Amino acid sequence: NAGVMQNPRHLVRRRGQEARLRCSPMKGHSHVYWYRQLPEEGLKFMVYLQKENIIDESGMPKERFSAEFPKEGPSILRIQQVVRGDSAAYFCASSPQDLMNTEAFFGQGTRLTVV
Amino acid sequence: DAKTTQPPSMDCAEGRAANLPCNHSTISGNEYVYWYRQIHSQGPQYIIHGLKNNETNEMASLIITEDRKSSTLILPHATLRDTAVYYCIVRPRGGSQGNLIFGKGTKLSVKP
Repeated sequence: NAGVMQNPRHLVRRRGQEARLRCSPMKGHSHVYWYRQLPEEGLKFMVYLQKENIIDESGMPKERFSAEFPKEGPSILRIQQVVRGDSAAYFCASSPQDLMNTEAFFGQGTRLTVV
Repeated sequence: DAKTTQPPSMDCAEGRAANLPCNHSTISGNEYVYWYRQIHSQGPQYIIHGLKNNETNEMASLIITEDRKSSTLILPHATLRDTAVYYCIVRPRGGSQGNLIFGKGTKLSVKP
């Protein structure tokens, strides 16, 4: 059973471009979470999705950021018109149900560098 | 904001037990204590969780005080590969809360 797969592992974008980060959850997991980790800081929750639904987006910046988890295919975190401050590691996690009494499994992250 | 307090760093000799404390004095009755760790540049890894009873698995033991205001994660025989940042997290049971609130954690350095 493969773990949570994120791609690309490293992404370089120029200011103003779009960044698309992909996350394939573990098999059988229908809940996905995105976190951001700025350099030398802790992980910050961004968004929680269940298939085709956004459950909690309280940690998402109001502009330029969006996330989806379609019925088929990976979850996508999209950042439009990237700025230098978006440079960070973005981690995706998945779980078979909501985090009521289970753990989340994390991917290895996508490291976004905005130049 | 994180509801836990942890020392920023700790050292441990290889082969010895590593005891990582966590204070969660405002924990409520329906909240679990979770531990994750993050080895440099990797994604966080689940270690263990518990409600009020002590728990043990192949990775670690979790000791929760009777009043549940603090807990200790024990790595019985620390190895160099256990060097990581360890996060103690409290979160409620039930509902649709999907996020884990990570604080600053404890940076554990296991030394030869």
